[in-house]
Amino acid sequence: QKEVEQDPGPLSVPEGAIVSLNCTYSNSAFQYFMWYRQYSRKGPELLMYTYSSGNKEDGRFTAQVDKSSKYISLFIRDSQPSDSATYLCAMKLSSASKIIFGSGTRLSIRP
Amino acid sequence: EPEVTQTPSHQVTQMGQEVILRCVPISNHLYFYWYRQILGQKVEFLVSFYNNEISEKSEIFDDQFSVERPDGSNFTLKIRSTKLEDSAMYFCASSEAEDIQYFGAGTRLSVL
Repeated sequence: QKEVEQDPGPLSVPEGAIVSLNCTYSNSAFQYFMWYRQYSRKGPELLMYTYSSGNKEDGRFTAQVDKSSKYISLFIRDSQPSDSATYLCAMKLSSASKIIFGSGTRLSIRP
Repeated sequence: EPEVTQTPSHQVTQMGQEVILRCVPISNHLYFYWYRQILGQKVEFLVSFYNNEISEKSEIFDDQFSVERPDGSNFTLKIRSTKLEDSAMYFCASSEAEDIQYFGAGTRLSVL
């Protein structure tokens, strides 16, 4: 079983739709959960960061972590064409330096 | 807003040559990292660096790779003898504590 699994998409939705992106993971010891956005040939840009379980909201973005199901989600409300990018879930142990990334979901918002 | 800067944005080299990729982390950050992303694949951890020494490294980070903080602002990744399979985007990242990591725009390394 892969450590972090993420549907690669592509996912295409109309402007204004609610987008749901998800990842599952196998290591129950992960404590830090992150979502990064990556535009083509650019570096990962941190969007959301959660420590342990629960929800976090920042503007149009909501991150959810369900540790009992080993499942994390990112919701984007009122999606915009500028949200078109690859979204990477990522996680980390509290005792380690390295971030483990999902493969990324390519999202396209149609005007 | 402070950011991690990387130079060059694109490096082309011949197989067997040495390359040095450069990074300027965010100024008050203490932890530094290198990751790479082969085209179409996941971002993979290479190495982390704290207090002038390597704190963690992956299996990818073999004897061909080295890192250095030559002065108070730069952080470098050296590949001694490049192979074709080293062609990838290389990302530098930094963090204030061992938690949230901020990434640079990357250096695209092309080995011919």
